[in-house]
Amino acid sequence: EPEVTQTPSHQVTQMGQEVILRCVPISNHLYFYWYRQILGQKVEFLVSFYNNEISEKSEIFDDQFSVERPDGSNFTLKIRSTKLEDSAMYFCAGGRVDSPLHFGNGTRLTVT
Amino acid sequence: QKEVEQNSGPLSVPEGAIASLNCTYSDRVSQSFFWYRQYSGKSPELIMSIYSNGDKEDGRFTAQLNKASQYVSLLIRDSQPSDSATYLCAVKYNTGTASKLTFGTGTRLQVTL
Repeated sequence: EPEVTQTPSHQVTQMGQEVILRCVPISNHLYFYWYRQILGQKVEFLVSFYNNEISEKSEIFDDQFSVERPDGSNFTLKIRSTKLEDSAMYFCAGGRVDSPLHFGNGTRLTVT
Repeated sequence: QKEVEQNSGPLSVPEGAIASLNCTYSDRVSQSFFWYRQYSGKSPELIMSIYSNGDKEDGRFTAQLNKASQYVSLLIRDSQPSDSATYLCAVKYNTGTASKLTFGTGTRLQVTL
């Protein structure tokens, strides 16, 4: 069964550095999402993406965050200047109309 | 603010017993409801989806939805140690083209030998 693939599995970065998290959704997905989960807390919505533009974003998704689907397959989340509180698991998810979301394996981001 | 509430647990049940996990949600216009299982350090894995009132069964899992009470539950029959995980209730509010999921905090289930 096709899977949503995320890379890297673990990223360690210093505060203030830029990071790019990558996702390859399942080919027939139309909607793409980024969620994050701080250790011990709930899964939180960051942003949804459809038809090459942002559909909705949460309060967490401020000017430090951006998303792109540069080549029709990869879906990226960029954090321009990381903060300690950005340390979390970041999950990419994809889906179609009226279908459940399928999550990737996640990227653990550690900001030191 | 749309909320999804779950008891964080842990819920401890002996092997072979029925585990009952509950979830309430705040918005009456919620359309779709999902249960995800999450092992520690792993991503959420879809267990069940339910869209209309009543029960939906899939193997050892049964999801129950009561929209009037804004309540959704998951029953796990014949619980196994491998069922020990955190179970996330998620609700899809139709906010537009790409409707997002709102998650509860999850209920940690421990199945004891």
